[in-house]
Amino acid sequence: GEDVEQSLFLSVREGDSSVINCTYTDSSSTYLYWYKQEPGAGLQLLTYIFSNMDMKQDQRLTVLLNKKDKHLSLRIADTQTGDSAIYFCAESQGQLTFGSGTQLTVLP
Amino acid sequence: EAEVAQSPRYKITEKSQAVAFWCDPISGHATLYWYRQILGQGPELLVQFQDESVVDDSQLPKDRFSAERLKGVDSTLKIQPAELGDSAMYLCASSPRTGNYGYTFGSGTRLTVV
Repeated sequence: GEDVEQSLFLSVREGDSSVINCTYTDSSSTYLYWYKQEPGAGLQLLTYIFSNMDMKQDQRLTVLLNKKDKHLSLRIADTQTGDSAIYFCAESQGQLTFGSGTQLTVLP
Repeated sequence: EAEVAQSPRYKITEKSQAVAFWCDPISGHATLYWYRQILGQGPELLVQFQDESVVDDSQLPKDRFSAERLKGVDSTLKIQPAELGDSAMYLCASSPRTGNYGYTFGSGTRLTVV
């Protein structure tokens, strides 16, 4: 079956880089996504990566994919207080399967 | 920017009562999803529609939950009777078609069953 796992919490200092990790089990996933959820809100798509790519960069966001180890990471450069939120990775086989989310706290 | 509209934003209901949620996807999006997100967890798929047809409702508790998308546009999710364990955020999402395409989520309906 499909399973996506993430660490629950991450705290960083403002201006530092944040790295959020995710592992998944479905090797046939063709797209992997990162979503951001602020308190009481819906999910906002941050970025995605196609499974034949190793890396994707989009402004402050860098996604790394190790398909052999089924490991996905999201790096946020120069983390700001506005980045405090829950971050979900998700794999897709026509419908999204989400991890439990990582609560990112940015300390001043 | 096009949005997925959901209403109500918040709903409090007593257990054993009926409750309904509404979703209006982005215009032209053929695929519509209902997800349930329990506090502290990731969203879990309840039902997926392609146009007016149900594609996947394997995780929908059919003894109490029902979903419809009669004209292939907006959709309603109903719970009858509501139970305490149904307290959660109910999220609707849409995408242009089934497959690995961008999903846009609505802001959700926060249900509290008392």
